[in-house]
Amino acid sequence: AQKVTQAQTEISVVEKEDVTLDCVYETRDTTYYLFWYKQPPSGELVFLIRRNSFDEQNEISGRYSWNFQKSTSSFNFTITASQVVDSAVYFCALKDSWGKLQFGAGTQVVVTP
Amino acid sequence: ETGVTQTPRHLVMGMTNKKSLKCEQHLGHNAMYWYKQSAKKPLELMFVYNFKEQTENNSVPSRFSPECPNSSHLFLHLHTLQPEDSALYLCASSQDPGQGHPNYGYTFGSGTRLTVV
Repeated sequence: AQKVTQAQTEISVVEKEDVTLDCVYETRDTTYYLFWYKQPPSGELVFLIRRNSFDEQNEISGRYSWNFQKSTSSFNFTITASQVVDSAVYFCALKDSWGKLQFGAGTQVVVTP
Repeated sequence: ETGVTQTPRHLVMGMTNKKSLKCEQHLGHNAMYWYKQSAKKPLELMFVYNFKEQTENNSVPSRFSPECPNSSHLFLHLHTLQPEDSALYLCASSQDPGQGHPNYGYTFGSGTRLTVV
């Protein structure tokens, strides 16, 4: 069975601090895809990144960076120099070979000025 | 502007009412999904449609009835709901033929916030 665990329910930081969101997954598939989505207060889920199981290269996009470690089944997400607009719920998700997208419980990030 | 449009954005209904949620996408995707997001719970997949055919029903009560008349439209018909059905209902689509092609992400709508009174 597949599982995505986001152990942090809520993280509060002050603006300009860095924040790292943890994601640990379980799957028996050898081919799978991992995603991060952002859900602002407006409700829609905004796609941030997709990473396939064969590509362990870390990625940086502006203030966002992702650390994929297959050995520990983790796909962590870091926001550098956080801003108030980063306040949202962030979801990690795993897509199996059947195409089903399994979400973690989400981590609420609160950035205060 | 998201490529997936959901209406209405907010809905309040009584337990004896019948209402429908609508989802529309013009992204050329062939798979559409309904998710339920309750407070303090992970997103729950409800229904999956591939090429207008329902391929998954995750033990959803019959008071929720999906309809997919074409690849661009998806409905969720609601009747005799319970207060615990109050949640954010999210629609998503993907270019996803299913098995063997998991490379694609989902595009989500903004959701319908449903309150059952």
